[in-house]
Amino acid sequence: ETGVTQSPTHLIKTRGQQVTLRCSSQSGHNTVSWYQQALGQGPQFIFQYYREEENGRGNFPPRFSGLQFPNYSSELNVNALELDDSALYLCASSPLDRDGYTFGSGTRLTVV
Amino acid sequence: AQSVAQPEDQVNVAEGNPLTVKCTYSVSGNPYLFWYVQYPNRGLQFLLKYITGDNLVKGSYGFEAEFNKSQTSFHLKKPSALVSDSALYFCAVRPSWSTGGYNKLIFGAGTRLAVHP
Repeated sequence: ETGVTQSPTHLIKTRGQQVTLRCSSQSGHNTVSWYQQALGQGPQFIFQYYREEENGRGNFPPRFSGLQFPNYSSELNVNALELDDSALYLCASSPLDRDGYTFGSGTRLTVV
Repeated sequence: AQSVAQPEDQVNVAEGNPLTVKCTYSVSGNPYLFWYVQYPNRGLQFLLKYITGDNLVKGSYGFEAEFNKSQTSFHLKKPSALVSDSALYFCAVRPSWSTGGYNKLIFGAGTRLAVHP
């Protein structure tokens, strides 16, 4: 059973740039969620994808967008980066419904 | 507003002693409850979950948690702490489907557990 893998592990971007983060879901999981974890805080829900459609979104602006592909892998795109976007971005996959969120190790994004 | 509170920023325990990391929640309906652990520069590792049934849930690495509906609490416990348990612990709640919670997790701010030799 494969886990959730995220790439890249670390990334440095300049304010105003755009970034794409990638996530490969655990085998058999058809739902993927993205979380932002700022330093010293708990993860905050960004959005969730199920069957390639966004079906839930947290309190994040539209410049945060995503995609889910037929193989259940996913991307998180952030446009017009701001300094406050610096955080650890976590991807979590799960079967739809109650069980088992499996998290990846995250991508550490630094915006300078 | 839906929220999770972890009232202690840090818990210090001597190795071999029991530990408790506290969590209370404010979510309507019958939420699912989780504990995760995070080691430095790593993602979240699942420890245990409560969905329904017995209020005492046993999880990975000897951890357990007690669900108390009247107190809306879900405290994490371990009878005998190890130095290797030192990490950041997060309590999380998934609101029930009836309140439109889909698969969203609401996390507490985290509690740093320090186990001293």
